[in-house]
Amino acid sequence: EPEVTQTPSHQVTQMGQEVILRCVPISNHLYFYWYRQILGQKVEFLVSFYNNEISEKSEIFDDQFSVERPDGSNFTLKIRSTKLEDSAMYFCASRGEILNYGYTFGSGTRLTVV
Amino acid sequence: AQSVSQHNHHVILSEAASLELGCNYSYGGTVNLFWYVQYPGQHLQLLLKYFSGDPLVKGIKGFEAEFIKSKFSFNLRKPSVQWSDTAEYFCAVNARGGNNRLAFGKGNQVVVIP
Repeated sequence: EPEVTQTPSHQVTQMGQEVILRCVPISNHLYFYWYRQILGQKVEFLVSFYNNEISEKSEIFDDQFSVERPDGSNFTLKIRSTKLEDSAMYFCASRGEILNYGYTFGSGTRLTVV
Repeated sequence: AQSVSQHNHHVILSEAASLELGCNYSYGGTVNLFWYVQYPGQHLQLLLKYFSGDPLVKGIKGFEAEFIKSKFSFNLRKPSVQWSDTAEYFCAVNARGGNNRLAFGKGNQVVVIP
């Protein structure tokens, strides 16, 4: 069964540093998403991406965040200057044209900012 | 924007017991409804989904959910749980049309004791 792959599985970074979280969505999917889950809290929507541009973003997705699909297979989330409160599990998801087939999630990247 | 409530965040039960997890959402329009499961160390997996038609939906691993429109609910059930059902369960909704961002509930941590 096709999978969404996320790397790294764990990342520890110092406050103020930049991090890039990587995702390889399913190859024929067209819609891409980032979500995050702070420990003990809800899974929260960050951003959606379609046709090489952001189609929607939440209030969480401020100027320190950016997304990119640099080469047609990877989908990255960059956090420019990490803060302690960015510590969370970050999930990538993708889906095809037909919503009925649902979303496929990656196994997540655990980001710890120290 | 849609929101999702899940209660009884921690559930402990014995094998062969029945499980019911509540999910209520708030949104004035038409929604699609999902239940995801996350086994320890793994990615979010789709258990079942409701888009239209029969409000009683059957999913994988013996799970089912019932959409009750008048109650804005989509409760998950399994008549007889197994130890392998130990996981976190998330209810999610998205609005028909639009960008289809998912709104998640806080999750239910279910522990099944052998």
